[in-house]
Amino acid sequence: DIQMTQSPSSLSASVGDRVTITCRASQSIASDLNWYQQKPGKAPKLLIYVASNLQSGVPSRFSGSGSGTDFTLTIGSLQPEDFATYSCQQSYSTPPTFGQGTKVQIK
Amino acid sequence: QLQLQESGPGLVEPSETLSLTCTVSGGSISSSSHYWGWLRQTPGKGLEWIGSTYYSGNTYYNPSLKSRVKISVDTSKNHFSLKMTSVTAADTAVYYCANSRPSLDWFDPWGQGTLVTVSS
Repeated sequence: DIQMTQSPSSLSASVGDRVTITCRASQSIASDLNWYQQKPGKAPKLLIYVASNLQSGVPSRFSGSGSGTDFTLTIGSLQPEDFATYSCQQSYSTPPTFGQGTKVQIK
Repeated sequence: QLQLQESGPGLVEPSETLSLTCTVSGGSISSSSHYWGWLRQTPGKGLEWIGSTYYSGNTYYNPSLKSRVKISVDTSKNHFSLKMTSVTAADTAVYYCANSRPSLDWFDPWGQGTLVTVSS
C-alpha cells in the first residue's frame, strides 16, 4: 500500500493567515491526489481532486499543487469556517489510502 | 443531487457480523457513472477504505479486510450493503458510505457516517 504522510499534524493560525499543509506519498503517484475537509462529527468533504482541481462550490481561497510524491494544500486567507481537519488521499493505486490528517486550530 | 445515508446497528458483539446499509437518493444505484464504497474512520488509524462495488456486482476490496468483508448491491431498493464477519474491538469505528467514479479516484459525496461499537 502507498503510505501518505501529512505535516504538520496540527497547526494554530489566525483568521486571515495563509496556511499551507503538506502531503507526501511513499512513492510517485503522478497527480492522483485529493484533499478533504472534515469538521467534528461530520463526514469528509471533497475540496480538491487530481492535485489542483477545485471541487464545485469550494471557495477559491483553497488551492492545491504538486505532483510525484510531494503535494500542498494552501488556504489563501483563513476564514472562521475553515477551522477543521484536512486529509489527503491517493487514488493512484488500489487500495486508496489517506493521510493521518492535519488539524487547523484557532490561535 | 446525490445523497447517501447509512443505517444499521450501533452495537455489535465480538465475533459477530457487522451489517450496514447505505441508501442512495437523488440518483440511481444502477448508473454506469458510479462506484459505491464503504470507508471507516478510527482515531488510531484514520480513514480506511474498505471496498467499492458497481451495480453489476463487480467489487474491489481492501486486501487487509478482504477475507472478512462482503459488499453487495440491491438495485430494486437503490441501496448497497456491507457485511463484516468476526468483528473485534479493533473494528469499532465510524463507518461511511460514499460515491466514487468507476476509476475509484475520489470520494464524493459521503453519507453522514454511523458509529459502530464492537463490545459485549
